[in-house]
Amino acid sequence: DAMVIQNPRYQVTQFGKPVTLSCSQTLNHNVMYWYQQKSSQAPKLLFHYYDKDFNNEADTPDNFQSRRPNTSFCFLDIRSPGLGDAAMYLCATSRDPGWQETQYFGPGTRLLVL
Amino acid sequence: AQKITQTQPGMFVQEKEAVTLDCTYDTSDPSYGLFWYKQPSSGEMIFLIYQGSYDQQNATEGRYSLNFQKARKSANLVISASQLGDSAMYFCAMSSMNTGFQKLVFGTGTRLLVSP
Repeated sequence: DAMVIQNPRYQVTQFGKPVTLSCSQTLNHNVMYWYQQKSSQAPKLLFHYYDKDFNNEADTPDNFQSRRPNTSFCFLDIRSPGLGDAAMYLCATSRDPGWQETQYFGPGTRLLVL
Repeated sequence: AQKITQTQPGMFVQEKEAVTLDCTYDTSDPSYGLFWYKQPSSGEMIFLIYQGSYDQQNATEGRYSLNFQKARKSANLVISASQLGDSAMYFCAMSSMNTGFQKLVFGTGTRLLVSP
């Protein structure tokens, strides 16, 4: 089945220690998104890639970076995680960036910062 | 600016009954899409149903239907014949042409609990 895969499902890191979360997709979608979701809140868009074009949300901290080496993979790098970065990180894809397009989400990675 | 409002923080329903989850939206764009997602405790966001602003008929997907009332700017989700597995958080979301790409604006969610 075509799907969005996130690894790992759970990640524990230390305060200030860089961490990378990965997302892969077999849907061959052009757009990949990263969301942060804190407890009992709605997901918040961090950035997205349309093919190789990177689009950062205005309020995304510089601490968060992303890479998309090819169509299938996208990475979220947190350079110096703080306690406030503990959250669920959701990757999503859509075929195209139009407003009619449906986003399909992966299972998420829960990040714990000690 | 686009905004989604979900006024029900929690809802209870008995198994096999129908339940309606409320969603109202605000936008000045004539072109927009409305989505419902289910998020179980495991965390995955599962797409349920989509309604476009130009769609004449209410969307349906199996046990899910969307009661779209454009003049009232509401897009309520109806789940028929509730099952225990329907217990989850439900998010209403919107995208519009004005954002330039498919940017979802989410509501705060409604937690649904289905009892036996």
